[in-house]
Amino acid sequence: NAGVMQNPRHLVRRRGQEARLRCSPMKGHSHVYWYRQLPEEGLKFMVYLQKENIIDESGMPKERFSAEFPKEGPSILRIQQVVRGDSAAYFCASSPLGQQNTGELFFGEGSRLTVL
Amino acid sequence: KQEVTQIPAALSVPEGENLVLNCSFTDSAIYNLQWFRQDPGKGLTSLLLIQSSQREQTSGRLNASLDKSSGRSTLYIAASQPGDSATYLCAVKTGANNLFFGTGTRLTVIP
Repeated sequence: NAGVMQNPRHLVRRRGQEARLRCSPMKGHSHVYWYRQLPEEGLKFMVYLQKENIIDESGMPKERFSAEFPKEGPSILRIQQVVRGDSAAYFCASSPLGQQNTGELFFGEGSRLTVL
Repeated sequence: KQEVTQIPAALSVPEGENLVLNCSFTDSAIYNLQWFRQDPGKGLTSLLLIQSSQREQTSGRLNASLDKSSGRSTLYIAASQPGDSATYLCAVKTGANNLFFGTGTRLTVIP
């Protein structure tokens, strides 16, 4: 049973380019979460999605950031027109169907974005 | 707003020692508390999950306790080994999407 799969593991972009980060949850998990970890800071919630629905995006910057979790395929976190301050590790987590409140969260290895 | 604090921020111990990591949170209305381990440049590995109705959980040399009323949790590591060196993160869940993390304790176990 594969864990949460994230790719790419490392991504380098120049300012103004777009970054796309992908996350495949664990088998049987229907809740996906994205967190961001800035250097020397704790993980901060960005967005919570279920299949085809954004449930809570209160932690996501209002501009340039978007997320989706289509019916088929991985969840995508998209950052348009990246700036240096977007450099961070982006982690995806998933939890089982029906356990969104009490369920254990399982994290991927993260995608490390560097903006030059 | 929920705030999670972990003390100490860094800890160095000689191999074989038992140690305790502390986590405190300001709002006791939580669903569960989860301890994670993070190695440099890596993702988070879940160590222990304690539901709000539970007092402790054990896995191997690890024991985590939860005192919800006082807003505290401890992670006890017995007979520490160099392989235990990592950053340990505590996180509390207050709803479907609200998992609040502390900034971690960086543990170094010296051979």
